[in-house]
Amino acid sequence: AQKVTQAQTEISVVEKEDVTLDCVYETRDTTYYLFWYKQPPSGELVFLIRRNSFDEQNEISGRYSWNFQKSTSSFNFTITASQVVDSAVYFCALSERTTDSWGKLQFGAGTQVVVTP
Amino acid sequence: DGGITQSPKYLFRKEGQNVTLSCEQNLNHDAMYWYRQDPGQGLRLIYYSQIVNDFQKGDIAEGYSVSREKKESFPLTVTSAQKNPTAFYLCASSILAGATDTQYFGPGTRLTVL
Repeated sequence: AQKVTQAQTEISVVEKEDVTLDCVYETRDTTYYLFWYKQPPSGELVFLIRRNSFDEQNEISGRYSWNFQKSTSSFNFTITASQVVDSAVYFCALSERTTDSWGKLQFGAGTQVVVTP
Repeated sequence: DGGITQSPKYLFRKEGQNVTLSCEQNLNHDAMYWYRQDPGQGLRLIYYSQIVNDFQKGDIAEGYSVSREKKESFPLTVTSAQKNPTAFYLCASSILAGATDTQYFGPGTRLTVL
């Protein structure tokens, strides 16, 4: 069963628009971690954020912000005032602390963001 | 600079050949991982290693083999038994293998079977 769902396959925006990427996860654990990674055209995955299940505070880092809501099992990511350099595939991932999972990352399918000038 | 290096960036293989993908890290991380990425899909775990001389199968280990003789190195061999090896392969490492530890990724190797 898919543990992490990124329903948006591709989002296209014009520069300076805001864009929100949805991530819905599924777990029975009370302790887990959520991640967002960026994959630019070069292919390397770039770590953006890690959030544990006990910290529901929203976080802002420059033009990036994250909204974690345990009640809806969502960890959404917003890019404010998008720029062309934001064009990439963005992955949401889940890490659980169950014995057999040991903490492996389970990725969503990714959302392609295309920012045009 | 600390980081993860993978080589080669592009690799071409004829059917029936084994090929080895290199992954080296100088971050002093204990855990290392290999993922496979197919077009339009997320990453899937092939193998992981928590310490030297120890490794475990991930979700799609069939047709692959690894070794971990040094802390810094975790090479992946794609054998002829792997039926559909054309994919993008990413290596990662973390301080330890656990839910709390962030995995950092290398630049990847794109393997094409001719």
